[in-house]
Amino acid sequence: DAGVIQSPRHEVTEMGQEVTLRCKPISGHNSLFWYRQTMMRGLELLIYFNNNVPIDDSGMPEDRFSAKMPNASFSTLKIQPSEPRDSAVYFCASSLRWQGYGANVLTFGAGSRLTVL
Amino acid sequence: GIQVEQSPPDLILQEGANSTLRCNFSDSVNNLQWFHQNPWGQLINLFYIPSGTKQNGRLSATTVATERYSLLYISSSQTTDSGVYFCAVGRKTSGSRLTFGEGTQLTVNP
Repeated sequence: DAGVIQSPRHEVTEMGQEVTLRCKPISGHNSLFWYRQTMMRGLELLIYFNNNVPIDDSGMPEDRFSAKMPNASFSTLKIQPSEPRDSAVYFCASSLRWQGYGANVLTFGAGSRLTVL
Repeated sequence: GIQVEQSPPDLILQEGANSTLRCNFSDSVNNLQWFHQNPWGQLINLFYIPSGTKQNGRLSATTVATERYSLLYISSSQTTDSGVYFCAVGRKTSGSRLTFGEGTQLTVNP
């Protein structure tokens, strides 16, 4: 398997522009997570989906952020309008959610580094 | 929410040395994972270990759930072990949410 695929790897944009980050989870995984990493706040969970349904979006900073998972193989995280404080590395991760031992072992993508000028 | 504390925050070793990283957590957990973030930013899952002991090559981990801590052992360290080691925990009541600690920055010098 190619692992979790994220795009773009790097994005530089100007304040006010719309940013869309994309993620393809590992085939067969039924949970998908969006994390953000900054020096100040570390790794924060933004939102996660089980079977394409958003379960917990309490980490989404504000209404400027939205996430969708239209099918089991694709998710997007959108920021509109973007602000300089959104600059961070955004990670997507996926896991196989089941009740047995080894549940929810996360596999991360390579991350999308966002810089908002 | 659950608190996760990792120690030490920074660790510098000479190649070949052994080390122990610690993760303390404030509540009962049913999910605990260790990750390594390499200097290029990639996060790699090392262990899923909500309890007990596991070994994988030069790395091993032990979680004592009743005392709310986990240890990651690195033996005969190599320069490629450099990076940040994160502990992440989850509670049954929190669904699939994992809370990450702030990490231990490890530097292994040749």
